[in-house]
Amino acid sequence: GQQLNQSPQSMFIQEGEDVSMNCTSSSIFNTWLWYKQEPGEGPVLLIALYKAGELTSNGRLTAQFGITRKDSFLNISASIPSDVGIYFCAGGNTGTYKYIFGTGTRLKVLA
Amino acid sequence: EAGVTQFPSHSVIEKGQTVTLRCDPISGHDNLYWYRRVMGKEIKFLLHFVKESKQDESGMPNNRFLAERTGGTYSTLKVQPAELEDSGVYFCASSHIWGFETQYFGPGTRLLVL
Repeated sequence: GQQLNQSPQSMFIQEGEDVSMNCTSSSIFNTWLWYKQEPGEGPVLLIALYKAGELTSNGRLTAQFGITRKDSFLNISASIPSDVGIYFCAGGNTGTYKYIFGTGTRLKVLA
Repeated sequence: EAGVTQFPSHSVIEKGQTVTLRCDPISGHDNLYWYRRVMGKEIKFLLHFVKESKQDESGMPNNRFLAERTGGTYSTLKVQPAELEDSGVYFCASSHIWGFETQYFGPGTRLLVL
């Protein structure tokens, strides 16, 4: 079945550093989503992307929909301790109602 | 507005026992989804309800899993009999019929089968 390769699996960074993570697929998607899961909570939608090449920001977060439609990237600038959590990418196609999730990137920010 | 709620938050059972997980979606959301995350792996789609109808249950692992959504409100996911490999976090999510991409997730039920 379809799979998403998300990397890195985990990151330990210093507060104030920028973070980059990405997601690649062997399949084409027309929607890419980025979620964040904090301990004890469910994933929360951060950014949704609908067009190849699209670059969308949400505060310090910026995500891009890859031109090939097979990948997506998430950047976090000037990380802070509350950025800690697991970040999931998800790819989907309009009308299917079903998303394929990546394995997650666990982010830890050291103050 | 209340979010998606799930009960119980944790469940520890022995292999062969039965467990029923409950999900209450956001009021007015017709779409309800169940997902599962086995430790360290991806969040995997299990099934999707539109109101009380199963729209897509292609992700259900096997016939030991039964999901229901009587009346189109809350949903239950029953595992009977539970096996060791069923351990994981079971998430429920809901969305409005016109905004399917904005799926609001519940906090999950952490299931451990011993």
